[in-house]
Amino acid sequence: DVKVTQSSRYLVKRTGEKVFLECVQDMDHENMFWYRQDPGLGLRLIYFSYDVKMKEKGDIPEGYSVSREKKERFSLILESASTNQTSMYLCASRLVAGSPLHFGNGTRLTVT
Amino acid sequence: RKEVEQDPGPFNVPEGATVAFNCTYSNSASQSFFWYRQDCRKEPKLLMSVYSSGNEDGRFTAQLNRASQYISLLIRDSKLSDSATYLCVVNVYNYGQNFVFGPGTRLSVLP
Repeated sequence: DVKVTQSSRYLVKRTGEKVFLECVQDMDHENMFWYRQDPGLGLRLIYFSYDVKMKEKGDIPEGYSVSREKKERFSLILESASTNQTSMYLCASRLVAGSPLHFGNGTRLTVT
Repeated sequence: RKEVEQDPGPFNVPEGATVAFNCTYSNSASQSFFWYRQDCRKEPKLLMSVYSSGNEDGRFTAQLNRASQYISLLIRDSKLSDSATYLCVVNVYNYGQNFVFGPGTRLSVLP
């Protein structure tokens, strides 16, 4: 079974803090993704990566950056956290284009 | 028009009922199709991929009609544990090979 692990299940941060969300997958998947999920808005793509050191903006990249230095790890960075970034963050990976996504168990971030 | 649309729900059904979920997609460049289930405050989990010939996995049957741009999921003999939100997900070729998620349909199976 594919395992996608997110470093924290719950996080509480203050406005203006720099926040790091870590994601690791153990199946040598090429592609990795970061989504956020909010009630009534569904899942929205923040950033994705096709391969090591590659990154592409998704639908809502503002206020976020990413890093993929190793194939198994994809980090999401909130440069200066704001209250509107309070959300459920979901990391996912897939083997190749056309294959399904496998999600981590999510990080519920609260910014106060 | 939304790219992926699903029945608005919620569906409340008794145990043992058969329930059908419908999904339509607007982008004809869509290539791969999936159903996910998501429990409250949890991550989406892959239920099944959907193939052109239709496919079945136990009590679950998925169908795809490319001409009508329509996907369905049938659950037979529903169990209490089937209660969840069901997400229709489409992989779109000209969207960076990325995914478009439907809004989901919530199912409650009642004793």
